[in-house]
Amino acid sequence: DVKVTQSSRYLVKRTGEKVFLECVQDMDHENMFWYRQDPGLGLRLIYFSYDVKMKEKGDIPEGYSVSREKKERFSLILESASTNQTSMYLCASSLWSGTGGVGYTFGSGTRLTVV
Amino acid sequence: GENVEQHPSTLSVQEGDSAVIKCTYSDSASNYFPWYKQELGKRPQLIIDIRSNVGEKKDQRIAVTLNKTAKHFSLHITETQPEDSAVYFCAAPGGGGNKLTFGTGTQLKVEL
Repeated sequence: DVKVTQSSRYLVKRTGEKVFLECVQDMDHENMFWYRQDPGLGLRLIYFSYDVKMKEKGDIPEGYSVSREKKERFSLILESASTNQTSMYLCASSLWSGTGGVGYTFGSGTRLTVV
Repeated sequence: GENVEQHPSTLSVQEGDSAVIKCTYSDSASNYFPWYKQELGKRPQLIIDIRSNVGEKKDQRIAVTLNKTAKHFSLHITETQPEDSAVYFCAAPGGGGNKLTFGTGTQLKVEL
């Protein structure tokens, strides 16, 4: 019963390519997030969205953009892929809470290699 | 924004021993503290969480404690088993938001 699905498990792209990473959740969650995971650095927030058409920058947005046209889908876009964007990308979703943090459900991740 | 520090980065214990992982946070308005377990090649999964109105929460062999005054919280695993071997992440939301800031992770190895 997979609830957060990332479209690709592994991707290899060339430097300068435009790359799309897709994430779909079936739990009717308001919140969706994109993180990248690198050894020794943990999970760092790239972008997030609390509603359709809404997006906010996280801690490391440079070189990335996002799109949320439908509630269940949140796309991460690498405008011009570079080798320093080689990483594991994790999508997550959660319910909205007006009183603070809530737990996430993560996708399985996309291992992106830029050559 | 929120800053979360996690220690140690690696932890090796003998099967049956206890393991403790500690995190500190910076935003005194944070009110929710989850812990995630990530097994090799798998997604992070929520294993336990605590809200700021309680000081301790237990679930079988795992427990989390929170000290709001000192702004730190800890994960305790008792009677460790090989299947506890994984990377563990703590997180905190900062004030007023739903986004989580994660610690850098602890690689726990339970040796036979």
